[in-house]
Amino acid sequence: DTGVSQDPRHKITKRGQNVTFRCDPISEHNRLYWYRQTLGQGPEFLTYFQNEAQLEKSRLLSDRFSAERPKGSFSTLEIQRTEQGDSAMYLCASRRDRATSSYNEQFFGPGTRLTVL
Amino acid sequence: KQEVTQIPAALSVPEGENLVLNCSFTDSAIYNLQWFRQDPGKGLTSLLLIQSSQREQTSGRLNASLDKSSGRSTLYIAASQPGDSATYLCAVSLGDSWGKLQFGAGTQVVVTP
Repeated sequence: DTGVSQDPRHKITKRGQNVTFRCDPISEHNRLYWYRQTLGQGPEFLTYFQNEAQLEKSRLLSDRFSAERPKGSFSTLEIQRTEQGDSAMYLCASRRDRATSSYNEQFFGPGTRLTVL
Repeated sequence: KQEVTQIPAALSVPEGENLVLNCSFTDSAIYNLQWFRQDPGKGLTSLLLIQSSQREQTSGRLNASLDKSSGRSTLYIAASQPGDSATYLCAVSLGDSWGKLQFGAGTQVVVTP
């Protein structure tokens, strides 16, 4: 396993611009999660994919946010018309499906730090 | 609604002391509990995972206990080192929640030489 990777690591944008982040999970991990973390807080759940199906979205995920996981591999998170309140660390995590492993550990990527000016 | 609390928010100890970090949760119907370490500006590194049927897990100098009935978990780090300085987060997974994690706000630890 090479670990969960995220790109870019840092993104600075102006308010109103669109941004897209990418997450590559550990291979064979069919569950993928997105979280958002603001300064001094723990991560908050945004959305969850099992293979290519998006099965849950948090109320934190407004209409300006959209996530995809085509073919059940990498995932993208897009934020349209960014606002200053979107500034945060966006974290991606993956894990094996419960049916195939009794050890349901989630592995996190390094995160994408978004700054909206 | 599940709430996860970590007290204290910050902790400073001299090198060599044992660290005791606390995590409490309000809903005992958890599937598992995971402890993470986070260095400034970085992602999360998994330290230990305890399944709901387990009482504790150990890895090297780290030991985590779980008491579901009282809604508590404790992470012990023996013989602390300056390299242990980081923020430690606990997170619970509910059985019916697709494995999504609910996190505490973390305890920021500083180990002084």
